[in-house]
Amino acid sequence: GEDVEQSLFLSVREGDSSVINCTYTDSSSTYLYWYKQEPGAGLQLLTYIFSNMDMKQDQRLTVLLNKKDKHLSLRIADTQTGDSAIYFCAETLPLSGGSYIPTFGRGTSLIVHP
Amino acid sequence: KAGVTQTPRYLIKTRGQQVTLSCSPISGHRSVSWYQQTPGQGLQFLFEYFSETQRNKGNFPGRFSGRQFSNSRSEMNVSTLELGDSALYLCASSGGQGTGANVLTFGAGSRLTVL
Repeated sequence: GEDVEQSLFLSVREGDSSVINCTYTDSSSTYLYWYKQEPGAGLQLLTYIFSNMDMKQDQRLTVLLNKKDKHLSLRIADTQTGDSAIYFCAETLPLSGGSYIPTFGRGTSLIVHP
Repeated sequence: KAGVTQTPRYLIKTRGQQVTLSCSPISGHRSVSWYQQTPGQGLQFLFEYFSETQRNKGNFPGRFSGRQFSNSRSEMNVSTLELGDSALYLCASSGGQGTGANVLTFGAGSRLTVL
């Protein structure tokens, strides 16, 4: 099975909160990330959390990590139409030489409608 | 400062041809990673280069190769193209070691279509 799993679609109304969920398999993961991809563009790092943290907040974004259940979530408060994009969850494991090679989920398409 | 620059942005090739894609990392970044993105397989890691050496490699056939130059710019090459190589190829750079090594900055990608 995949190392990182996400639901494929999420539809919300403008102004509501969006919660995108992700599960990962490797308990050795050191960093967990959320990236955003808009049509025709590359991946934009939104935020990341170190594995010894439970929560991280950055303006409208809140990341929650449940390490016991290997569950990561991204909450977007006051979702706007400009938030419509694909959101990727990713994990990294410590590699020799100082490398960090994220393993990505398939992405969740967030659709925000008026 | 300038972001990660990938060229070309779009290209069309035919089966059997070969292609070279280029990536210029953020100034000061020494690590460059390449990913292939397709609707069927998602984002898959190809390889990572650090200080002109391939440091990590994904599970791709030998038709996929890369290199890194002394200025940290990187190229990847795909030989004997197959229809299944049609994808968005993403390059990402990071510091490569120490603080910031875990933060990858991606380019906009090179979209390859193989006919």
